[in-house]
Parts: sequence; C-alpha cells; structure tokens
Amino acid sequence: GDSVTQMEGPVTLSEEAFLTINCTYTATGYPSLFWYVQYPGEGLQLLLKATKADDKGSNKGFEATYRKETTSFHLEKGSVQVSDSAVYFCALSRSQGGGSQGNLIFGKGTKLSVKP
Amino acid sequence: NAGVTQTPKFQVLKTGQSMTLQCAQDMNHNSMYWYRQDPGMGLRLIYYSASEGTTDKGEVPNGYNVSRLNKREFSLRLESAAPSQTSVYFCASSAGLATEAFFGQGTRLTVV
Repeated sequence: GDSVTQMEGPVTLSEEAFLTINCTYTATGYPSLFWYVQYPGEGLQLLLKATKADDKGSNKGFEATYRKETTSFHLEKGSVQVSDSAVYFCALSRSQGGGSQGNLIFGKGTKLSVKP
Repeated sequence: NAGVTQTPKFQVLKTGQSMTLQCAQDMNHNSMYWYRQDPGMGLRLIYYSASEGTTDKGEVPNGYNVSRLNKREFSLRLESAAPSQTSVYFCASSAGLATEAFFGQGTRLTVV
C-alpha cells in the first residue's frame, strides 16, 4: 500500500544551520505531497505542498521539490531559527483513496529542536 | 476564520465513561477525519467521512463510533472509555480526496 517514510528524529541544530529532513514515498498514481508543521500544544498546519512532479513548494524559507524519479520530497531551509522548533510531518494525498488508510497518508513526524 | 473547531480542548474520563468529541468546519469541505496522536506513533486514522452521508473505518476504529451529522459536523464517540484511549485527538477536513487537510487544535483526553 501507499506509505510515507521520513527520517527519524529528534534533530537538533544550532540557529542559522542548514536543515534537511528526508521524506520518501511509495504510491500508485500521482499523489500530491505536503509538509505539515506542528508547534508545541497545537494542531498540524500546512507548511507547503506540491501537486505534480518537479513542482517546488515553498513557504517561510522552507522548500521541498517533488522528485518523481527518486520518489522523494525532502524539506530544506537554509538558516533555521529557534522559532522553527516543531514536529514536521511529510504526507501524501491520493486521488484514489479509501480503505483503512483513507486518502491522506502521513509519515511519523520528525522533531526539530533549534538551539540559540 | 474559524476553520476547524474541536471541543472540548481537554477532558479527563474515568474508565467506562462515555463521551463525544465534537468537530465542526466552516470551509464547506466534503471530507472530514478523526486522528489520534500518540508519542512515537505519529498520526493514526480512526474514522473518516469522504462526503456527507458516508463514514469509513480507518486504521484504529475499535472502541470508537462516528456520526457525520451534516456537511459541517463530524463527531467521535467513545462508548466505554479505556486507558488505552488516552491520547490527543485531532479532527481535520479537506475539500476533496487529493487536497490538503486542515486540522483543529486537538483534544487532549486522559482516561484514568
């Protein structure tokens, strides 16, 4: 079945360091891909998305490119801030949903801590 | 914009008690979902409703029931709470099957 695999955390970085969180997926067809962010005590918020191959999603300095050839959607940021400390979830949404997975498949999340 | 609203935000139940978690969205979305989030487990789908009038089981439906009351509202009921149901519950909605989901703020439930 469809699945999302993202790097396990926690990831600890110093402020202004470069961030990469790896995400790969397995899916039939052509899913849309998303990164969500969850700040402490809050719900998930959409960070960025890409709906087709080679699309680049970007928001708040974060970027991810939909790579069909490597089935990846890695999240990157050039210079992280303390305020970026959160849990990041990679997800895919498939047009042919159903079954116990529904149509939204999430990775297990990666906790990022940024130290001043 | 309210988006997805969940109530209550916090709840403590005794084993065997029942309760209903309420969820409403004001974005005219077709699909709605209930997830639970546990440490190290990520998000797990409990039930979802692809459209008004339909509901389907997710990955972990045992011990739960749902009602899609109308297009706006999707409730989750625990008939006889168990300590294993201690978790943070999130409701979400999406316009369609291939679009992004919008989440509520969560309900932190403790069953003692």
